[in-house]
Amino acid sequence: NAGVTQTPKFQVLKTGQSMTLQCAQDMNHNSMYWYRQDPGMGLRLIYYSASEGTTDKGEVPNGYNVSRLNKREFSLRLESAAPSQTSVYFCASQGRAPGSYEQYFGPGTRLTVT
Amino acid sequence: AQSVAQPEDQVNVAEGNPLTVKCTYSVSGNPYLFWYVQYPNRGLQFLLKYITGDNLVKGSYGFEAEFNKSQTSFHLKKPSALVSDSALYFCAVRDVYNFNKFYFGSGTKLNVKP
Repeated sequence: NAGVTQTPKFQVLKTGQSMTLQCAQDMNHNSMYWYRQDPGMGLRLIYYSASEGTTDKGEVPNGYNVSRLNKREFSLRLESAAPSQTSVYFCASQGRAPGSYEQYFGPGTRLTVT
Repeated sequence: AQSVAQPEDQVNVAEGNPLTVKCTYSVSGNPYLFWYVQYPNRGLQFLLKYITGDNLVKGSYGFEAEFNKSQTSFHLKKPSALVSDSALYFCAVRDVYNFNKFYFGSGTKLNVKP
């Protein structure tokens, strides 16, 4: 049981390049999330998916797209990277069992855009 | 707007002493509150949550938190700090209208000195 996995762990992009961050969970969770973490700002929600086939914008969706490929996988795409997107990106999932409201986080992807 | 605030960027405490990491919230209605811990270069890990019931909730690694409705606070506490408790701590609240959204504080770095 690996929990939430993310690839890659590190990435350096040049301005204008594109890339996709991959996330997968093996806990049969319905909800999945993408956050970015910046110093002094905590975690900010980029997009989330409440269930397979649905996605919704969070606080900071501009410049990103997502795909909920199936129940396990939720990817984040940067179509044209900008230096402002330099950040650490975390994927998380959450179950629907009664009383289970906590999120489970992946190890993160550290992205630098030059 | 719904939010949580962590007023201290950093908390320093000596090993063996009690520790408190502060969090205040701003939501309408009954809040669902959480604490997470992040060790260096790792994802966030769930520590504890308040949903309803007793104002004092116990969580992992000997941590507890006290929900205070009149002061709109949810402070994290531990009676005796360990050096290994040194990490970044985040408070979070679930959106009362959209159960799939969570708002995180900016984080508090806890330093426990031997």
